[in-house]
Amino acid sequence: SQKIEQNSEALNIQEGKTATLTCNYTNYSPAYLQWYRQDPGRGPVFLLLIRENEKEKRKERLKVTFDTTLKQSLFHITASQPADSATYLCALQSGNTGKLIFGQGTTLQVKP
Amino acid sequence: DTGVSQDPRHKITKRGQNVTFRCDPISEHNRLYWYRQTLGQGPEFLTYFQNEAQLEKSRLLSDRFSAERPKGSFSTLEIQRTEQGDSAMYLCASSHQPRDRGANVLTFGAGSRLTVL
Repeated sequence: SQKIEQNSEALNIQEGKTATLTCNYTNYSPAYLQWYRQDPGRGPVFLLLIRENEKEKRKERLKVTFDTTLKQSLFHITASQPADSATYLCALQSGNTGKLIFGQGTTLQVKP
Repeated sequence: DTGVSQDPRHKITKRGQNVTFRCDPISEHNRLYWYRQTLGQGPEFLTYFQNEAQLEKSRLLSDRFSAERPKGSFSTLEIQRTEQGDSAMYLCASSHQPRDRGANVLTFGAGSRLTVL
C-alpha cells in the first residue's frame, strides 16, 4: 500500500544550526513533492516544491532534495531561528488529479 | 481577497447532533479540497471539487458526511449523527486547476475544529 513517512519524533536543534527533515515514501510515483509549514491551530502554508526530474531546489534559507531512486526527500533549513519552530509536512502529488497526500509531519524546535 | 476563510473556527457538539462547516475559497480558484487532521497526524484527504462538480471522495468519507459546492463558489461540509471519532480539525484548501501535469499548490484556511462530546 502507499505510504509516506516523516520523522515522528520532534527535532530539537540550536539556533544557527542546519535542520534536516526527512520524507520517505513507498508505492508512489509522484510528479511533485511539496513541503508545507504548519503552526499550532493554523492551516498548512506552502513553502517549496520540487519536480520528479529535479534533484535540488533552493529558496532563501530552504533547500529541498528529491531522490526518486531512494524514494526520499530531504528538507533543510540553514541558519535556523526560533521563528522556524513549527511542524513541517511533506506532500506528494501524483498524476493529473492534483490531489496531495500528506505525511504525518515532523515538529521542529529551534532553541535560542 | 483575504485567502481561504472557514467558519466556524470551533464547534463543540453532543454526539448524535449534525454539524455544518463552511469554506470560502480564494475567488479565482476553481478547485476546493476538504481534509481532516487529528492531533499528531498530517491532513487526510476527504474530497475535492472542480467548480461545482465533486470529482473524488475518499473512502474515509462515510455516508454521514456530505459536501456541496453550489455554483462553484463556497462549499459546505455536513456531518450527520456525529460520533466522538469525528473530533478533528477540518481543513479547507483551494487552488487553481493546474495545467496538464502541472504542480497543484494548495492554499489552506485556518480550519474548523470539531469536538464531539
